Amino acid sequence: GESVGLHLPTLSVQEGDNSIINCAYSNSASDYFIWYKQESGKGPQFIIDIRSNMDKRQGQRVTVLLNKTVKHLSLQIAATQPGDSAVYFCAENDATGGFKTIFGAGTRLFVKA
Amino acid sequence: EAQVTQNPRYLITVTGKKLTVTCSQNMNHEYMSWYRQDPGLGLRQIYYSMNVEVTDKGDVPEGYKVSRKEKRNFPLILESPSPNQTSLYFCASSLSGGTVSEQYFGPGTRLTVT
Repeated sequence: GESVGLHLPTLSVQEGDNSIINCAYSNSASDYFIWYKQESGKGPQFIIDIRSNMDKRQGQRVTVLLNKTVKHLSLQIAATQPGDSAVYFCAENDATGGFKTIFGAGTRLFVKA
Repeated sequence: EAQVTQNPRYLITVTGKKLTVTCSQNMNHEYMSWYRQDPGLGLRQIYYSMNVEVTDKGDVPEGYKVSRKEKRNFPLILESPSPNQTSLYFCASSLSGGTVSEQYFGPGTRLTVT
């Protein structure tokens, strides 16, 4: 079945550096992708999304890149701050598949002061 | 305040004792969904609902029931809980079922089945 995976389960970066979190997806029919951030003891929180007709989208300090050729998604965080420490999930939706949402296993980001 | 609420936040129960976890949203969202989160497995979708009286199975629906009689509520029912349903459960909602968009998550319900 479809799966959304992550290249690295844990990422440690220095405060002020840029972070890149990667995600691979297997369903080529997926047309909507989302990044969520989950802090300890809380529910996931939306960060940024991108639809399949785009390859890049920017938000405040975050950028999502979508490469449909290799089915790869990445989240870039600029000038990483201690408050960015959390688990990050990518998720995909396939509207033709009935609006199911499939999440990756998550990447834990540690920011060193 | 726009939010998704879940109750209870923590629940310890015994095998076979029926339970219901409530979920409510005040954003007039059409789409609602239930997930379970287990270590190393991320979030897995149990059931989702595109609108009132419309529900569909996610990836792990076995042992769960849902209903959507009102737009704001989407309870999760475990008719006969088993220890393998011990998990952290999240309810979520999003604006439109016609076009998928970002989901707003509740604070979670930690369920332990002994």
